[in-house]
Amino acid sequence: AQSVSQHNHHVILSEAASLELGCNYSYGGTVNLFWYVQYPGQHLQLLLKYFSGDPLVKGIKGFEAEFIKSKFSFNLRKPSVQWSDTAEYFCAVSLNNDMRFGAGTRLTVKP
Amino acid sequence: NAGVMQNPRHLVRRRGQEARLRCSPMKGHSHVYWYRQLPEEGLKFMVYLQKENIIDESGMPKERFSAEFPKEGPSILRIQQVVRGDSAAYFCASSPGPPGYGYTFGSGTRLTVV
Repeated sequence: AQSVSQHNHHVILSEAASLELGCNYSYGGTVNLFWYVQYPGQHLQLLLKYFSGDPLVKGIKGFEAEFIKSKFSFNLRKPSVQWSDTAEYFCAVSLNNDMRFGAGTRLTVKP
Repeated sequence: NAGVMQNPRHLVRRRGQEARLRCSPMKGHSHVYWYRQLPEEGLKFMVYLQKENIIDESGMPKERFSAEFPKEGPSILRIQQVVRGDSAAYFCASSPGPPGYGYTFGSGTRLTVV
């Protein structure tokens, strides 16, 4: 079955630590990939997206993600997290306009 | 424990007809959110509801769109007099509390207006 997997349910980091959140998908074919963030008390917002071209995508707030087609992965990274990055992060995959979401990863950044 | 259930999965309507999209939240979740995904774009927030209350409808178009989440039954997103521009995927999510952690998405309803 087609699915999107986010391996980490809850990640706890100290400020200035580096972040990598995993996302793998099981779709075949050409996909579009997204990372969304939901800050406490707020609705989802788009962090970054990949449709084609350079597999290293830069998003807002210093986030980036790398599409590795051979690994069916689209991991989210940030070199140095801040307390304000505490949020829930969702990976999403779209194929032929059929979008599926991962279960989300909660990131807690300790000051 | 079933996840967020959306139906129908695909809906085709002619211009001028009404579209009704249903969302049954996860068991124990009393907060529902509707999002729209236009082709080649990300999700756009539409409305946030709790049972019998609309909490935030800042993302809803002013006309033709309405949403409800009755005491019994699923949440309904209703689009009256559909136009071609309404063609999109509509996603529902639910959570046990206010926006924050614990969001779960449905698989979406793809609306096509012909």
